[in-house]
Amino acid sequence: KAGVTQTPRYLIKTRGQQVTLSCSPISGHRSVSWYQQTPGQGLQFLFEYFSETQRNKGNFPGRFSGRQFSNSRSEMNVSTLELGDSALYLCASSLNAGNTEAFFGQGTRLTVV
Amino acid sequence: AQKVTQAQTEISVVEKEDVTLDCVYETRDTTYYLFWYKQPPSGELVFLIRRNSFDEQNEISGRYSWNFQKSTSSFNFTITASQVVDSAVYFCALIRGAGANNLFFGTGTRLTVIP
Repeated sequence: KAGVTQTPRYLIKTRGQQVTLSCSPISGHRSVSWYQQTPGQGLQFLFEYFSETQRNKGNFPGRFSGRQFSNSRSEMNVSTLELGDSALYLCASSLNAGNTEAFFGQGTRLTVV
Repeated sequence: AQKVTQAQTEISVVEKEDVTLDCVYETRDTTYYLFWYKQPPSGELVFLIRRNSFDEQNEISGRYSWNFQKSTSSFNFTITASQVVDSAVYFCALIRGAGANNLFFGTGTRLTVIP
């Protein structure tokens, strides 16, 4: 059974650009959550999607957005990139919404220059 | 508000030593879930254990054991006979209430096991 797949693994973007990250959950999993990991702020929850609907959102500006497709794959988008957006973005897959164990991908390392 | 505190930033032990990673949490919810995750250098977070607030039974899985004490709001993790492969960053995390799926993470403890 394939795990959580995040693409791309590494990305370098320039300030002001936008970026789209992709996450394919484990087959059969319907909940996808996104997290940002930085040395300064640690691991922070961005948002959660279940059945193509955003269930929960963390405390991030509107430049951060996401969506989920009917096959449960999810994308997150960051517009008008800032240097502080440089981070490891992790996607987590869960069978259903609510308190189930989450399986994480290897992340996308975004560097904004 | 909720908070997860891992006071130990870095720990180094010699192989085969036992090591305990501390986790203290704060939440006003009566229903909550506690987790431990391992993050090896490759980056992904590896699920180790989940415990709900109504189950204070300690758990042992091989060389790993967890001690959950509601009286002290602690959920500590012990590795017995540590191995070099245990070197990683370990995160304690909390989910509030029922129906939620967002993890609140502690700042992590970097464990280095020296051969």
